[in-house]
Amino acid sequence: QKEVEQDPGPLSVPEGAIVSLNCTYSNSAFQYFMWYRQYSRKGPELLMYTYSSGNKEDGRFTAQVDKSSKYISLFIRDSQPSDSATYLCAITLIQGAQKLVFGQGTRLTINP
Amino acid sequence: DAGITQSPRHKVTETGTPVTLRCHQTENHRYMYWYRQDPGHGLRLIHYSYGVKDTDKGEVSDGYSVSRSKTEDFLLTLESATSSQTSVYFCAISLQDTQYFGPGTRLTVL
Repeated sequence: QKEVEQDPGPLSVPEGAIVSLNCTYSNSAFQYFMWYRQYSRKGPELLMYTYSSGNKEDGRFTAQVDKSSKYISLFIRDSQPSDSATYLCAITLIQGAQKLVFGQGTRLTINP
Repeated sequence: DAGITQSPRHKVTETGTPVTLRCHQTENHRYMYWYRQDPGHGLRLIHYSYGVKDTDKGEVSDGYSVSRSKTEDFLLTLESATSSQTSVYFCAISLQDTQYFGPGTRLTVL
């Protein structure tokens, strides 16, 4: 069993829809949770970072962590064609020398 | 982009040849990382460094070595490249409890 599971998609939705992206993880010791966005042939760019259960909002993006269920989500409201990318969840145990464990990534397309 | 550059950006090489990829950062970050990205696997950690001459292995370190003789440079070496090492390689640095990535190097081993 992989430490982090993420549905690879692809996921295709119409512009303006609410998008839900999800990951599950197996090790309850994980403490830090991140979401990255990666455009084709580019490096991953950090979208959201949190270390506590609950919701964290940044503009149209909301990151949700449920440590009891070992489940994390990223919601995108009012989705735009420019949101079309691969979204990767990443989880780590500690600060400092972080060994990030990534999900496979979900490929998202927003159709105009 | 946290001041990270990678070179070369693209490379095609033959099985059995040595290959060195370079990661350069301009902002004196202590921690640096090398990942590879393959379809179906996301990103996987190869090696990381927590200071000059201080390195450690990651999840997929077999066939790779690293060196860090200066704070700003972290080198990844494939001593004898194999076709299974065809991948996209990303360098990253730690900043404020998370990581920022370079633009990547696309390596093809024929």
